[in-house]
Amino acid sequence: DTAVSQTPKYLVTQMGNDKSIKCEQNLGHDTMYWYKQDSKKFLKIMFSYNNKELIINETVPNRFSPKSPDKAHLNLHINSLELGDSAVYFCASSQALGAVQTQYFGPGTRLLVL
Amino acid sequence: DQQVKQNSPSLSVQEGRISILNCDYTNSMFDYFLWYKKYPAEGPTFLISISSIKDKNEDGRFTVFLNKSAKHLSLHIVPSQPGDSAVYFCAASDDSNYQLIWGAGTKLIIKP
Repeated sequence: DTAVSQTPKYLVTQMGNDKSIKCEQNLGHDTMYWYKQDSKKFLKIMFSYNNKELIINETVPNRFSPKSPDKAHLNLHINSLELGDSAVYFCASSQALGAVQTQYFGPGTRLLVL
Repeated sequence: DQQVKQNSPSLSVQEGRISILNCDYTNSMFDYFLWYKKYPAEGPTFLISISSIKDKNEDGRFTVFLNKSAKHLSLHIVPSQPGDSAVYFCAASDDSNYQLIWGAGTKLIIKP
């Protein structure tokens, strides 16, 4: 009964491949996020969806495309993977939009591009 | 351009003593600050927060202090326990922006 789950946990792939990471939350939250934790350990917001609507779309290459089929799911598809995409990707959710809302994180997906 | 800085990558503290984790920020528009805790192979979990209208917020063993003039906040854990060993992230926001700006984290090690 994990609150925010991500699959897969680990992903090793070759440059140029296309891959997807799935995220699901069972908290009934309206808002979901994708973060990237880079090699310097900073967590950087990539996307935020509120009620399936894109709210935040930071400066992310358009090879990254989020998809929210419903409020409980926010998937991340990455085209033409590059070495620099290697990172840990975290999905999170919050009850509503707003920085004061507590965000609940998934366990992360460790992506390694060879 | 790091708007939120945690200058100590790691901190080692004796069990039972006070742990003090520091965080500095540069954006004077930030009005809400949070601390998250992260164990290995898990996502961050919310610990405590503070609004800019306050200078202190306490929750059990955890207290966050905010010094707006110095653009500095700190997290105090007392007494420190082995289960407190984790990475602690400071995050900040101005609510009009809907997003959190995160520091790089400080790894806290509690020694027995």
